[in-house]
Amino acid sequence: EIVLTQSPGTLSLSPGDRATLSCKASQSVYNSYLAWYQQKPGQAPRLVIYGASNRATGIPDRFSGSGSGTDFTLTISRLEPEDFAVYYCQQYGSSPHTFGGGTKVEIK
Amino acid sequence: QVQLVQSGAEVKKPGASVRVSCKVSGDTAISYGITWVRQGPGQGLECMGWISVYQGSTKYAQKFQGRVTMTRDTPTSMTYMELRSLTSDDTAVYYCAYGVDQLLFWGQGTPVTVSS
Repeated sequence: EIVLTQSPGTLSLSPGDRATLSCKASQSVYNSYLAWYQQKPGQAPRLVIYGASNRATGIPDRFSGSGSGTDFTLTISRLEPEDFAVYYCQQYGSSPHTFGGGTKVEIK
Repeated sequence: QVQLVQSGAEVKKPGASVRVSCKVSGDTAISYGITWVRQGPGQGLECMGWISVYQGSTKYAQKFQGRVTMTRDTPTSMTYMELRSLTSDDTAVYYCAYGVDQLLFWGQGTPVTVSS
């Protein structure tokens, strides 16, 4: 089973700041089959990025994903108030599909 | 756009079973899958497995093998997840999600509480 480790656990930033979230895999993620999800309190997760770097429908271009192999990054270029949430990475290249533990992006 | 609507909250005693339903509607592909994910209180996301709605084939995470069954009823566009031999560790919100790779759309979640 591929273990995904996200860092940092919490990111304290201000609106307008740049956010950089990391997701490291214990083994190479096949074909960069890695997704990022955003989850706000009391809500279901929402797909943000798939295939490591493809934005999901309706996701603004301030969100970008990069990486391959075992190291992946989600970048939010300029934080908007609605971006403060928990973000999870997920690999779907190997069974079982697994999620990281999450990074909380909070208002500083 | 695809919508997923799940059944309501459940309270179960240890040792019991729970069945959660998920109704899918909207612009679905001919062949699609539904993944079940759960989230314990204050915890992260855990993939339980998925079902191919077209074929009915399933793939379960090792952790849940022998304790979970996912089924579907194609005419009504319903998918079901049954979890047996519940313990307090199974207290969680259970989500169905459209897709078996990236999860494009999600249900609203079904809270399941296991308590004596």
